[in-house]
Amino acid sequence: EIVLTQSPATLSVSPGERATLSCRASQSVTSNLAWYQLKRGQAPRLLIYASSTRATGIPARFSGSRSGTEFTLTVSSLESEDFAVYYCQQYNNWPLTFGQGTRLEIK
Amino acid sequence: QVQVVQSGAEVKRPGASVKVSCKVSGYTLTELSMHWVRQAPGKGLEWMGGFDPEDGETIYAQKFQGRITMTEDTSTDTAYMELTSLRSEDTAVYYCATVYGSGNYMDVWGKGTTVTVSS
Repeated sequence: EIVLTQSPATLSVSPGERATLSCRASQSVTSNLAWYQLKRGQAPRLLIYASSTRATGIPARFSGSRSGTEFTLTVSSLESEDFAVYYCQQYNNWPLTFGQGTRLEIK
Repeated sequence: QVQVVQSGAEVKRPGASVKVSCKVSGYTLTELSMHWVRQAPGKGLEWMGGFDPEDGETIYAQKFQGRITMTEDTSTDTAYMELTSLRSEDTAVYYCATVYGSGNYMDVWGKGTTVTVSS
């Protein structure tokens, strides 16, 4: 099974600043990687799929990129509602797998 | 726009079974693939299983093989996930999530169903 390793586990950033979250795959997943945002008590939200395509309704401050088996989610200018936990997920191979998550907290 | 409504919280004894439902609207179940994901307290997201439209079969994570069954009632556009032989480690929030089109990324998620396993 493909293991996704997210870093850092926790990221402290001030509102208005940029946040960069990483996800490394244990083997190639081509571009079949998605990012989700999870807030307590809410349904998880799809942010990015195909490593860099924003889902419907996702603000342009969210962007995704890929370099080989390294994937990055960038939030260009953090707003208060962006502080949450973020997960990457690969869908290139069965079983589908998630990273362990990055908690984005207010500095 | 797909909308997903899950059934309410459950409390079960160890050894019991639980069946969580997920009703879809805006699309029919035949147009979507349904997946189930759980999050135990203090843990990350864990994929449990889902429908593979290429093969027309449901694929389960090996960890749950033999204990999990995912079914669908297309007459009511309701999906079900049943987990048997519950143990305390199965205490978690269980989510259903839909996949529309190619690529098994999950477009729309339910708000989750809390299942507590306790004696």
